[in-house]
Amino acid sequence: QKEVEQNSGPLSVPEGAIASLNCTYSDRVSQSFFWYRQYSGKSPELIMSIYSNGDKEDGRFTAQLNKASQYVSLLIRDSQPSDSATYLCAVNPEGGYNKLIFGAGTRLAVHP
Amino acid sequence: GAGVSQSPSNKVTEKGKDVELRCDPISGHTALYWYRQSLGQGLEFLIYFQGNSAPDKSGLPSDRFSAERTGGSVSTLTIQRTQQEDSAVYLCASSLARNNEQFFGPGTRLTVL
Repeated sequence: QKEVEQNSGPLSVPEGAIASLNCTYSDRVSQSFFWYRQYSGKSPELIMSIYSNGDKEDGRFTAQLNKASQYVSLLIRDSQPSDSATYLCAVNPEGGYNKLIFGAGTRLAVHP
Repeated sequence: GAGVSQSPSNKVTEKGKDVELRCDPISGHTALYWYRQSLGQGLEFLIYFQGNSAPDKSGLPSDRFSAERTGGSVSTLTIQRTQQEDSAVYLCASSLARNNEQFFGPGTRLTVL
């Protein structure tokens, strides 16, 4: 069974701090990795994708991938109350067009 | 451009009735995916279509569920003889590139009474 594990949270951080969200996956041959943000009652919104080991930065977001450790993380710098949402980690286990395997999500709460 | 659209946004039905849910993907996207999300749960893959290839139906929970994609664009997910455990948000996504970035529609909230 291919699995994606996330801490359910809630992760509570003060406004302006760095939020660190973590995800581990079981299938060593997984090819590509995604972070989605989901506000309550809304559908998931793609915020980051990463395919190679290392860091990928986009604005306040940085995704980090370590395939040897089967670990992917998302850092949110200068966290804002509007970042409060559930963050879903998703893994494409086989590459190319394929279903994504989702973690259960980590709920982030940014308090003023 | 326009994103993925789904209809209806909400559907309430009685146990035993059939329902059809529609998805219109982003124009030009060749791959289309259906997932569902039960209350407080993660996303569960149901089925996906890619071009003219046979669909991957490996996530369909029972033979009451079926889906088709006409003309390589619009897709319909059909649930026959609905059960209360079918109540969930049904999400459709589409992707273009082989990097498989999937973009989701707003979902259809299905409630089976």
